[in-house]
Amino acid sequence: QVQLVQSGAEVKKPGASVRVSCKTSGYIFTDYDINWVRQATGQGLECMGWMNSDSGDTGFAQKFQGRVTMTRNTSISTAYMELSSLRSDDTAVYYCASPMFGYWGQGTLVTVSS
Amino acid sequence: DVVMTQSPLSLPVTLGQPASISCRSSQSLVYSDGDTYLNWFQQRPGQSPRRLIHKVSNRDSGVPDRFSGSGSGTDFTLKISRVEAEDVGVYYCMQGTHWPFTFGPGTKVDIK
Repeated sequence: QVQLVQSGAEVKKPGASVRVSCKTSGYIFTDYDINWVRQATGQGLECMGWMNSDSGDTGFAQKFQGRVTMTRNTSISTAYMELSSLRSDDTAVYYCASPMFGYWGQGTLVTVSS
Repeated sequence: DVVMTQSPLSLPVTLGQPASISCRSSQSLVYSDGDTYLNWFQQRPGQSPRRLIHKVSNRDSGVPDRFSGSGSGTDFTLKISRVEAEDVGVYYCMQGTHWPFTFGPGTKVDIK
């Protein structure tokens, strides 16, 4: 069965970076894009970007351009999302989703606080 | 960016009664391949979103048949034929046609 398992919660200071991992199983990793979505507490869902798991090509929502990096390690079917220059309003649960948003990770809470 | 709107934003329902959520997009969601990439998600309290419907009307595996999706172009609907207690949560529509993909604000469904 398809599973996406994310790394654990993180607490970061403003200005720092965070990297979230998403380990996939149950399907051919390189066949589908990985999407990253975030959700601030009590708020809605926001697409951050996508990564072609085969080529590594990426696309980001404009508000994250220059601050987000998405990479992958195909040998272990794992995707990574790194967000830099963290601010307090980046505090949110970050999700990976694939294939085609059909399966989601359990979410990773990133708290940005001084 | 494509703006997705939903109505109502709050939907108190009686168990066993039908429910309907409307989703509208600010531009057509028909992609160049002819498909319309409109998804519906359910998010139960404390859980990750779960896709219920993809490409307007295709129910995902394991989704009860009381859920159905319809619509075209810019106007879409999710219907629950008979609401059950486990259907409580927030429902989101999402367009996957135009980048950046965008979600509606969500409709909170709870029991009267």
